[in-house]
Order: sequence, then C-alpha cells, then structure tokens
Amino acid sequence: QTVVTQEPSFSVSPGGTVTLTCGLSSGSVSTRYFPSWYQQTPGQAPRTLIYNTNTRSSGVPNRFSGFILGNKAALTITGAQAQDESLYYCVLNTDGGIWVFGGGTKLTVL
Amino acid sequence: QVQLVESGGGVVQPGRSLRLSCVASAFTFSSYAMYWVRQAPGKGLDWVAVIWFDGSNIYYADSVKGRFTISRDNSKNTLYLQMNSLRVEDTAVYYCARGVGATFKTPIEYWGQGALVTVSS
Repeated sequence: QTVVTQEPSFSVSPGGTVTLTCGLSSGSVSTRYFPSWYQQTPGQAPRTLIYNTNTRSSGVPNRFSGFILGNKAALTITGAQAQDESLYYCVLNTDGGIWVFGGGTKLTVL
Repeated sequence: QVQLVESGGGVVQPGRSLRLSCVASAFTFSSYAMYWVRQAPGKGLDWVAVIWFDGSNIYYADSVKGRFTISRDNSKNTLYLQMNSLRVEDTAVYYCARGVGATFKTPIEYWGQGALVTVSS
C-alpha cells in the first residue's frame, strides 16, 4: 500500500516563502509520478494549483511553483498572502491508473 | 468556463445503492478523462476512480473495487458513479473532476462543487 507523505502543518509569515513537500513512504518521487498540487479552503471544493510537477493551472499566480526537490515533489509559495492560508494536497500517480493523495498540509499565514 | 455539476447525493442506509451523476459543460467532454474523488467529513481527499475519455479503461481504489462502478455517456456529457453495498465509511462529499488529458496519466485540472452522500441507518 503506497503512502504519500506531506507535512501535517506549516506556518509562514506574510510576504515570506514556504516550501511544502510530497514524498513516498518507500522510494523517490520523480516526474513520472505526475505530482500535482491542490488548494482547499474549508467548505469549498479543491482548486488545482500545479499539475505534472510544474505546470500552473489557469489563473494561478506565478508565486506558486512546483518542482522536484531531492526525492520529493515540492510546492513553493513566494510572497505568501493571508488568502494563502489553506489546506494543500498533493497527489501522485503510483501505479498505472491509480492515484494516491497525501494527507494534506495545513498552512497558516501569520 | 468549465463547469461540472454533481447530483444524486443524499442519505441512504448501509447496504443500499445510490447513483451519482455529473453533467459537464463548456468543454468537449468526450476528449477528457474523468474522475471521482471523495472527502469524508473532516478528512482529506481520497481518489475513488478514473475513466478514460472513451470509457475503454477504468481504474478503482481498492476501497471501492467491486462495489462502485464509474461510467460515462459522451452523448449526454455526463459522468456517473454507481455505488452499491454502501458502508458507513463511504459517507463523504463526492467530487466529479476532469483530467488534464484523455487517459490515465493525466492529473485532475477542474473540480465540481461536490455531492454529499451520507450512509446511515
């Protein structure tokens, strides 16, 4: 059973930079896992930020960027704003048509 | 603007069935893979199933395999999720979602607003 790991929580100061990561319980994440990132605020549907490692979805500001950092996928938010306080989920394609979400990272901006 | 509208949610007893629908608009439905993703109350996102653009390939999470069936009618721009033998742990908001491309290695790009399914006696 593949487990996708994310930091449970993170905090960043307004205007600061934060990097969230997405790993595997066993093995390294690479572009072949098609890592993607989603933002969700309470009571709302998820919003796509990044797909296929580093492609920003339509309308997503360029202060969100995705990349591979060592053996994990990463999402960096540059110049964090109060509205970025959300839950962030990553997902990996782990086995053919199978996708597995991480547990999510709760980002606090303070 | 891509729109995905789910319907069919509600309260159902354990062991019973329910069918969700998702009507798509503002894009060529028959050209994209489609997904169902769920979220139990207070929990994270949980991938359920994916179907290729033409319905030729389908994949399920182990937790629903043999109980849930994903299907699509490209003539009606509609995605379905037939849920049988429902369990209390299937209680969740079910999101319909569209992939970036047509086949399985295509992440989700657009999401619906979700439909709540509550399994309770």
